[in-house]
Amino acid sequence: GAGVSQSPSNKVTEKGKDVELRCDPISGHTALYWYRQRLGQGLEFLIYFQGNSAPDKSGLPSDRFSAERTGESVSTLTIQRTQQEDSAVYLCASSRRGGVNTGELFFGEGSRLTVL
Amino acid sequence: AQKVTQAQTEISVVEKEDVTLDCVYETRDTTYYLFWYKQPPSGELVFLIRRNSFDEQNEISGRYSWNFQKSTSSFNFTITASQVVDSAVYFCALLGGYAGGTSYGKLTFGQGTILTVHP
Repeated sequence: GAGVSQSPSNKVTEKGKDVELRCDPISGHTALYWYRQRLGQGLEFLIYFQGNSAPDKSGLPSDRFSAERTGESVSTLTIQRTQQEDSAVYLCASSRRGGVNTGELFFGEGSRLTVL
Repeated sequence: AQKVTQAQTEISVVEKEDVTLDCVYETRDTTYYLFWYKQPPSGELVFLIRRNSFDEQNEISGRYSWNFQKSTSSFNFTITASQVVDSAVYFCALLGGYAGGTSYGKLTFGQGTILTVHP
């Protein structure tokens, strides 16, 4: 597609439920990133994919968070047993290359998650 | 460890004023990259610039200019003759991790500076 696409754009869920957030990167971009942005805060790194593998998962806040990427394309971020502190905008970004060659990151519009 | 500090939480100026957004970074890496992103009210982050640690030349792009000073670990961003459309949150970011290799590709963002330009 023309840009990074994320779905859903808005998700309201009850505490304890599982949620899945999806990211479709720009076609051909090998690097994919997930960030979390709490209200009024900066971007918090969650995970980075180079192809289908994740060399850096250091930002995942807990074992309730997991992510995968398939076909060097779509990525899914899953949050199990959601808590109220998980409420945030989850941003996905892709880059033509990753690692040392990372240049411009193209961001999606984010998925706003509200946990009641 | 990497860290980016944007000490100015909010800045308010009147149109046509010049404004400088500060960014100070910390890294142990000898090779790293610095970025500025703009997040307008629509929410989507927009790339503004990428600089590598070996290039300390200042850069100017229209009304935007960047001052990279390795000696003070700063990468400040100046908007000349600000306009209402410049109102946004601006993020400075650091890409490093090559020395140890464990943070390869991790882009660390500052907390952002909210810029409001009044007409």
